[in-house]
Amino acid sequence: QQKVQQSPESLTVSEGAMASLNCTFSDGTSNNFRWYRQHSAKGLEVLVSIFSDGEKEEGRFTAHLNRANLHVSLHIREPQPSDSAVYLCAGQGTGSKLSFGKGAKLTVSP
Amino acid sequence: ETAVFQTPNYHVTQVGNEVSFNCKQTLGHDTMYWYKQDSKKLLKIMFSYNNKQLIVNETVPRRFSPQSSDKAHLNLRIKSVEPEDSAVYLCASSPGTGGRTEVFFGKGTRLTVV
Repeated sequence: QQKVQQSPESLTVSEGAMASLNCTFSDGTSNNFRWYRQHSAKGLEVLVSIFSDGEKEEGRFTAHLNRANLHVSLHIREPQPSDSAVYLCAGQGTGSKLSFGKGAKLTVSP
Repeated sequence: ETAVFQTPNYHVTQVGNEVSFNCKQTLGHDTMYWYKQDSKKLLKIMFSYNNKQLIVNETVPRRFSPQSSDKAHLNLRIKSVEPEDSAVYLCASSPGTGGRTEVFFGKGTRLTVV
């Protein structure tokens, strides 16, 4: 079973509406979490890194971490069509190795 | 702008051939990685090198072999490719190996095995 469960697999929102993505970690080792974005033909771009419970904001991107529930979420405020991409959550343990979710395809319609 | 450079961008080859992918980082980082992203977009680590030393070697078939000439370069060779090797191979680097270290990725090399 996948140790990093990401949901939904795909999401379509209208431009300007909030987009929310979720991850649950059951790998037992992840302590630090990141959200990445992957556009076609581009590398992974880190959006938010979060290391403690609560909220972390980076521009229009806000991550929430709840360690008790092994849950981390990403909220995108006022999404634009250029935000259409695949979003991946990733966890790090004591080392730098990243464990990724399967990704969520976000489509922002004008 | 990316500072982890991968070549080639794409490669198509036949079953049984040998391929090599190159990766160079200009960030001065000590640690480099190879990740594989399959057709379902799942990313998994394959190898990690720190100062030219192999530190992580996940369960990867023996036909895959990483090669590091210095800490700025980490190449990947695949002997006798198989259809399931079709994927995007992402190179990455980080300043260290701690749990909070940020990892920077290249744009990937897409391999298609026909």
